[in-house]
Amino acid sequence: AQSVTQLGSHVSVSEGALVLLRCNYSSSVPPYLFWYVQYPNQGLQLLLKYTTGATLVKGINGFEAEFKKSETSFHLTKPSAHMSDAAEYFCVLARQTGANNLFFGTGTRLTVIP
Amino acid sequence: GAVVSQHPSWVICKSGTSVKIECRSLDFQATTMFWYRQFPKQSLMLMATSNEGSKATYEQGVEKDKFLINHASLTLSTLTVTSAHPEDSSFYICSGPTGGNTEAFFGQGTRLTVV
Repeated sequence: AQSVTQLGSHVSVSEGALVLLRCNYSSSVPPYLFWYVQYPNQGLQLLLKYTTGATLVKGINGFEAEFKKSETSFHLTKPSAHMSDAAEYFCVLARQTGANNLFFGTGTRLTVIP
Repeated sequence: GAVVSQHPSWVICKSGTSVKIECRSLDFQATTMFWYRQFPKQSLMLMATSNEGSKATYEQGVEKDKFLINHASLTLSTLTVTSAHPEDSSFYICSGPTGGNTEAFFGQGTRLTVV
């Protein structure tokens, strides 16, 4: 079975501080993992993805995530938060084989304090 | 990337009425589209797979007679919530086809509130 857990439905950081959004997954087959961001009144936009190869993946807007199989984690980080980073973030899993639907975490709302 | 347009972005309706949500692929053709919903404090969950030219495939526990899906063309899929009730209030979002390691393209989502 596949599932995704995001720890913390709300995270607040000060502008310029480190952003860390946690994601753990469960999968019976090797997963593909994604982080999507949703700004108010907009659709979900891909931040980054892990498929195969390098476990540290870099995305847009300075975000990166590291796939750690031993910890079944795919945490999202950014060294310095910007006001424009305030949004909802979703960790998403796709199976490499079989049905092509997605498994979503519950989302984390990031607030950036000036 | 590909663009998926979903309308309306929010809707309030009275209990017992029906609501139609449209999902259009603007720059690609899709034989398959996916509909998800998210209840408060829960994950987005797949409701159904919309198939152009054939019946939709519904996930377990989703009432196909209540959530009518029509995939009329390669660029349009619609979800109609029939005889809506307050418990149908949720966030509904569609996406184009996904292929494992490829990016999915999502609509803006629809916040449905049934009063």
